[in-house]
Amino acid sequence: TQLLEQSPQFLSIQEGENLTVYCNSSSVFSSLQWYRQEPGEGPVLLVTVVTGGEVKKLKRLTFQFGDARKDSSLHITAAQPGDTGLYLCAGLKTSYDKVIFGPGTSLSVIP
Amino acid sequence: EAQVTQNPRYLITVTGKKLTVTCSQNMNHEYMSWYRQDPGLGLRQIYYSMNVEVTDKGDVPEGYKVSRKEKRNFPLILESPSPNQTSLYFCASSLKGTGREQFFGPGTRLTVL
Repeated sequence: TQLLEQSPQFLSIQEGENLTVYCNSSSVFSSLQWYRQEPGEGPVLLVTVVTGGEVKKLKRLTFQFGDARKDSSLHITAAQPGDTGLYLCAGLKTSYDKVIFGPGTSLSVIP
Repeated sequence: EAQVTQNPRYLITVTGKKLTVTCSQNMNHEYMSWYRQDPGLGLRQIYYSMNVEVTDKGDVPEGYKVSRKEKRNFPLILESPSPNQTSLYFCASSLKGTGREQFFGPGTRLTVL
């Protein structure tokens, strides 16, 4: 059973466009992380959001944690080819000290 | 340089031939973990270790073994590999549990024929 769903699964856009990817669950998480993975490498943490409704910005990337702490979104403004990669969300359940990864959104930004 | 290293990076083997994938970190992290990554399924945790001599099953532990004799090393052992263990494997480490940032190794692509 996939506890974390991500959409879309694949996204191909032109350089300069904006995009939003989503991470959804029926479960409540104590925090949620977003990682980016480039081909041939391991995932690298972008951000951790902890509080329901929290918004964090990392240059052109904006991350939001849902009020109920069941979902999150990642918005990229003016995408660049360097943004290409697999974006993974990961939910943490503190009571079980366990992290659950979503299947990822594969983003391709075409110059 | 702070890093997690894995060896080998690529491995092709045959069913039933025991193999070990090594993982080492130089950040003095207590927590280490093994994941497998399959298309459409994301990262699934195989085993994790909260500290030396403390290991526990993740979501998909069947067919795998681990040990944590030293803080820096966390090898993954496949006693009798089968084709359904063909996957991309990642080792990760962090300070004191999964709530902290996990640092991932570069991955080991395993093919079992």
